[in-house]
Amino acid sequence: DADVTQTPRNRITKTGKRIMLECSQTKGHDRMYWYRQDPGLGLRLIYYSFDVKDINKGEISDGYSVSRQAQAKFSLSLESAIPNQTALYFCATSDRLAGIEDTQYFGPGTRLTVL
Amino acid sequence: RKEVEQDPGPFNVPEGATVAFNCTYSNSASQSFFWYRQDCRKEPKLLMSVYSSGNEDGRFTAQLNRASQYISLLIRDSKLSDSATYLCVERGSSNTGKLIFGQGTTLQVKP
Repeated sequence: DADVTQTPRNRITKTGKRIMLECSQTKGHDRMYWYRQDPGLGLRLIYYSFDVKDINKGEISDGYSVSRQAQAKFSLSLESAIPNQTALYFCATSDRLAGIEDTQYFGPGTRLTVL
Repeated sequence: RKEVEQDPGPFNVPEGATVAFNCTYSNSASQSFFWYRQDCRKEPKLLMSVYSSGNEDGRFTAQLNRASQYISLLIRDSKLSDSATYLCVERGSSNTGKLIFGQGTTLQVKP
């Protein structure tokens, strides 16, 4: 079984709809991240969380919200989807161990299309 | 100026060729650098970390030049399976674990 899972894997929705993307991990990591990827722009950080009570905005948080329901779960919501939120969304996790560099482990991605 | 810049390519090379990618970064205080590999429509995966002294893993060699603020990835004896997008990544100076990704360089290895 995959260590980081995302649901749904693909979603087509309409402008103005609320949509939630979910991420679960079995790695036991404290840190979780949400990114979006657009052609030619690379991955950009939306939100990140270092534990259940610590949630931070990334570089492009406008139009998004998150919820860290448990150590293993981190959800991304689009309250009112708009077409320029069409992108590939990745969840990632990491754990900081003494003397070891952070490695981020990514989920398989959610391809979201907003019509 | 983007924080991490890469030539998007694509780089088209024959099997067995040696190919090198460079990546420049703007934050001189950045602490750590990585190369991630991303196959088409798949998630990025860590390929290797980049150390000041350079590091090698089989056919792959990564180097860091802090004076000129660039990192490089060299792939020797290219295989068809090396075809992918290679993402240059930096972890900034703060202790947040946040990574900053370049847009990626696409490599196509041809038979």
